Amino acid sequence: DAKTTQPTSMDCAEGRAANLPCNHSTISGNEYVYWYRQIHSQGPQYIIHGLKNNETNEMASLIITEDRKSSTLILPHATLRDTAVYYCIVRVKAGGTSYGKLTFGQGTILTVHP
Amino acid sequence: GAVVSQHPSRVICKSGTSVKIECRSLDFQATTMFWYRQFPKQSLMLMATSNEGSKATYEQGVEKDKFLINHASLTLSTLTVTSAHPEDSSFYICSASQDRGLYNEQFFGPGTRLTVL
Repeated sequence: DAKTTQPTSMDCAEGRAANLPCNHSTISGNEYVYWYRQIHSQGPQYIIHGLKNNETNEMASLIITEDRKSSTLILPHATLRDTAVYYCIVRVKAGGTSYGKLTFGQGTILTVHP
Repeated sequence: GAVVSQHPSRVICKSGTSVKIECRSLDFQATTMFWYRQFPKQSLMLMATSNEGSKATYEQGVEKDKFLINHASLTLSTLTVTSAHPEDSSFYICSASQDRGLYNEQFFGPGTRLTVL
């Protein structure tokens, strides 16, 4: 699976949008971009995923550049409960030899402050 | 939907004993389950992948005789840490995946914190 690069940490004010970048310059055509987050001492929580189009759900929006080499996760109105480690993961689509596997990097520690 | 539970949430044991951790998918059938380990201030590391009814596939460096994985049904997988030692103290997290064709989401359990004295 392609490697991802994320900033180590970011801060965001409560109520503002949090924009978390991720670089995945070696992504292949059959690889999706996934985002998970992990609140302290809990299991990771799925946020969103996409292939090449922008995606939005009730939690966040995912913006993928046209060349697919980078993406941004947007939390539109961050709350204190959004403080967590955010993982950007590139994952092979079903059917590949890495079917189902998620490889976690170090992620971005997002701190939302009042 | 897509709830995964783990039991116990915390366990403290003496060195040399074995500990079993259960992972259950509560509202879906999990064709594949994964076991991860996370040390303090580190990221999750995949230990093994298991499919129901077959032997688990272990990642490089993970001792299969020490970390026994059983995936006996589509809703239950167990991880047994045999002859546990203090260095096995960690946060163990499972995830369950349902085959849905083009992609299969992984849903994570809340984790089990193991402390070996």
